[in-house]
Amino acid sequence: AQKVTQAQTEISVVEKEDVTLDCVYETRDTTYYLFWYKQPPSGELVFLIRRNSFDEQNEISGRYSWNFQKSTSSFNFTITASQVVDSAVYFCALSEANYGGSQGNLIFGKGTKLSVKP
Amino acid sequence: DTGVSQNPRHKITKRGQNVTFRCDPISEHNRLYWYRQTLGQGPEFLTYFQNEAQLEKSRLLSDRFSAERPKGSFSTLEIQRTEQGDSAMYLCASSSGGGPYNEQFFGPGTRLTVL
Repeated sequence: AQKVTQAQTEISVVEKEDVTLDCVYETRDTTYYLFWYKQPPSGELVFLIRRNSFDEQNEISGRYSWNFQKSTSSFNFTITASQVVDSAVYFCALSEANYGGSQGNLIFGKGTKLSVKP
Repeated sequence: DTGVSQNPRHKITKRGQNVTFRCDPISEHNRLYWYRQTLGQGPEFLTYFQNEAQLEKSRLLSDRFSAERPKGSFSTLEIQRTEQGDSAMYLCASSSGGGPYNEQFFGPGTRLTVL
């Protein structure tokens, strides 16, 4: 069955520390998409990145980087030199292309609450 | 810039009452999704529309829930005979295109409290 696991419920770091948020997924599809969303205290989910199952190339965007490894079914997210504004709940999500005809709805993990202290 | 909007932002109701929420997606987005999020959990899929057609409903969507998207524009989610277990944040999202790869843009949500 499809599932997304974010084992870290809460992480607290001091500003400028690097932090990695873990995400492990399960799917029977060969074609699927992985996403990270940020939910700041205001509540609105903000899209960060999308990855398809055929592209294992790591991606870097400013202080953010993502490591996708199909061999371990993981899609981890690293924030370098964290800042107070990074404090939020981060969700990893999966979207499947083929199995069961479900095309497009996101399957979310439970989220990791990141607190960055000054 | 008009993102996804949802109304009302907050709704407090008594058990047994009916409530209706509205979602206005980003203009020209043909897909519209409803999710429910409870405290400490990730959003859970409820249903989605491709234009005006409701294409999928989750097992979470009991008979007391109904959603519509007339004319493929805004959508409404109605809950009849509300129960305390319905208390949650109801999120709406929209996307362009018809595939699972499209980024979904989320609205601010409607927080429902059932007393």
